[in-house]
Amino acid sequence: NAGVMQNPRHLVRRRGQEARLRCSPMKGHSHVYWYRQLPEEGLKFMVYLQKENIIDESGMPKERFSAEFPKEGPSILRIQQVVRGDSAAYFCASSQTELNTGELFFGEGSRLTVL
Amino acid sequence: AQSVTQPDIHITVSEGASLELRCNYSYGATPYLFWYVQSPGQGLQLLLKYFSGDTLVQGIKGFEAEFKRSQSSFNLRKPSVHWSDAAEYFCAVGALGAAGNKLTFGGGTRVLVKP
Repeated sequence: NAGVMQNPRHLVRRRGQEARLRCSPMKGHSHVYWYRQLPEEGLKFMVYLQKENIIDESGMPKERFSAEFPKEGPSILRIQQVVRGDSAAYFCASSQTELNTGELFFGEGSRLTVL
Repeated sequence: AQSVTQPDIHITVSEGASLELRCNYSYGATPYLFWYVQSPGQGLQLLLKYFSGDTLVQGIKGFEAEFKRSQSSFNLRKPSVHWSDAAEYFCAVGALGAAGNKLTFGGGTRVLVKP
């Protein structure tokens, strides 16, 4: 019974390159969330997606960041032209329902290092 | 907007001693409250949650938390810690009525267990 799968677990990029982070939710879950954890900080909400729809992107930086959750395949968080400040752990979570009484299941995170 | 404060950044406790982690929240209505644990290099695991009803909530691994509306607190406790409890603990609040399971996290409390 696979949980939330994220890859890559670790990613190193040079400034100006692109980073793509992938997330496969738990089986049967159609709601995906991305959170960012900066060093020594808590998790900050970035975006909430359902299949083919962005529901809430209020936590996404206005530039260089985008997210998608296509009908087929994993959710993708894309960071263009990365800068050192993008270095962080990016966590994906999924839930079975949109109700906020439902539990969020987190992946193990993708740790991005920008050189 | 909701917020979560965890006043203690680090706590050191001896194995077998009791542990209490503080969490204060700010939210205009009845909150949904959660405690998550994160082991080094891992994702987040849900320890317990409070939605309604009994204000003393039992969780996994021997943890419990008490919701005190008058103090806007949701402190986490364990009577006797084990070395395996060394981890970072995050308190989070969910928004009632909002779309999805968007959570606001506190900054975390890192627990070190001495032998």
